[in-house]
Amino acid sequence: EDQVTQSPEALRLQEGESSSLNCSYTVSGLRGLFWYRQDPGKGPEFLFTLYSAGEEKEKERLKATLTKKESFLHITAPKPEDSATYLCALTQGAQKLVFGQGTRLTINP
Amino acid sequence: GAVVSQHPSRVICKSGTSVKIECRSLDFQATTMFWYRQFPKQSLMLMATSNEGSKATYEQGVEKDKFLINHASLTLSTLTVTSAHPEDSSFYICSAPGTGAYQPQHFGDGTRLSIL
Repeated sequence: EDQVTQSPEALRLQEGESSSLNCSYTVSGLRGLFWYRQDPGKGPEFLFTLYSAGEEKEKERLKATLTKKESFLHITAPKPEDSATYLCALTQGAQKLVFGQGTRLTINP
Repeated sequence: GAVVSQHPSRVICKSGTSVKIECRSLDFQATTMFWYRQFPKQSLMLMATSNEGSKATYEQGVEKDKFLINHASLTLSTLTVTSAHPEDSSFYICSAPGTGAYQPQHFGDGTRLSIL
């Protein structure tokens, strides 16, 4: 059974303090690993798609990487506006997504 | 970019009321849409897959008679929570996949349903 586990559950950082969020997964045939950002009371906002081990993608202060067992979302010099819940998800057959529990990130000014 | 619109954003109603939530793809067609449910501080749980022109596919444990799904056109799916009770209170979110294989899902902004 495909599974996605995210850690930590919650993370508090000071502005400018870089860190990484982890997404461990088990899947029979990876079709795509997705990172989303979700603000309170909103739907998830797409950030990245990773398809194969070794792949990396960047957007502003965020960088996503992928190995055969896990993905990391690195955040460099974060700002308070980066505070959100970050969700990792796998594609199952027929485009269905399986989500991890998310990491609630808080950046203190 | 692709946009999914969900309406209403918030509903407060009495127990026993049926509530309809709409999900529209604004600038693209979607033969498939997905409905999720999210409880506070929890992740999204897939409820069902909405298929244009055919019956929806429900995940295990989701009551199809409680959560009626209709995908009437290539840009509209509706979720009706029938005879809602307080335990149905939750955040309901829809999504539609972008065009092309393994494209990311695009999500609506969700509907906060509160049953009194």
